[in-house]
Amino acid sequence: DGGITQSPKYLFRKEGQNVTLSCEQNLNHDAMYWYRQDPGQGLRLIYYSQIVNDFQKGDIAEGYSVSREKKESFPLTVTSAQKNPTAFYLCASKEYGLTDTQYFGPGTRLTVL
Amino acid sequence: GENVEQHPSTLSVQEGDSAVIKCTYSDSASNYFPWYKQELGKGPQLIIDIRSNVGEKKDQRIAVTLNKTAKHFSLHITETQPEDSAVYFCAASPPSNTGKLIFGQGTTLQVKP
Repeated sequence: DGGITQSPKYLFRKEGQNVTLSCEQNLNHDAMYWYRQDPGQGLRLIYYSQIVNDFQKGDIAEGYSVSREKKESFPLTVTSAQKNPTAFYLCASKEYGLTDTQYFGPGTRLTVL
Repeated sequence: GENVEQHPSTLSVQEGDSAVIKCTYSDSASNYFPWYKQELGKGPQLIIDIRSNVGEKKDQRIAVTLNKTAKHFSLHITETQPEDSAVYFCAASPPSNTGKLIFGQGTTLQVKP
């Protein structure tokens, strides 16, 4: 898991509520990523950010939002517009331009009740 | 866009046997191919990676081979041990400066003692 922390480990949400998942890294990495993992589907990219105050949509951004106000932090908000939010969410980071290797956090399991 | 197919979805071997997992990618310009191991409830951890200018890479019991002509790459684990039991993901990185990874669907490896 390296220097990437995600909190909380488990999160329960009622339908119609927005929730924010935390991702913090102390690796001094420029780029950060959010993935969603569902059984049998691998990891799918939600959003990514290469520098502070800038981010781009991934393949499944609908119903999610992010911010990147600090280099070490990249929180993900799962909004009520996300129709099927129950999943395992993974945050990753990497050095920009120096290496392709992404390092992952331990993940947050979100369950909608 | 880039697509990565991974096979098999499940693999069961006896301790000491070898295990092989195969992935095929669609974008011939992809240039980086990592393999991740994910234990239950944890984030993926990089175990080995290979770049497009290399045909094979080995690290102790683990090796990866790349066939650019056929657009496929494989993970080889020799002398398997029960602690190798996990889900393994391959990924491919299309040529860009975003660091985006496209993941395969995952292979659940079970090593029977």
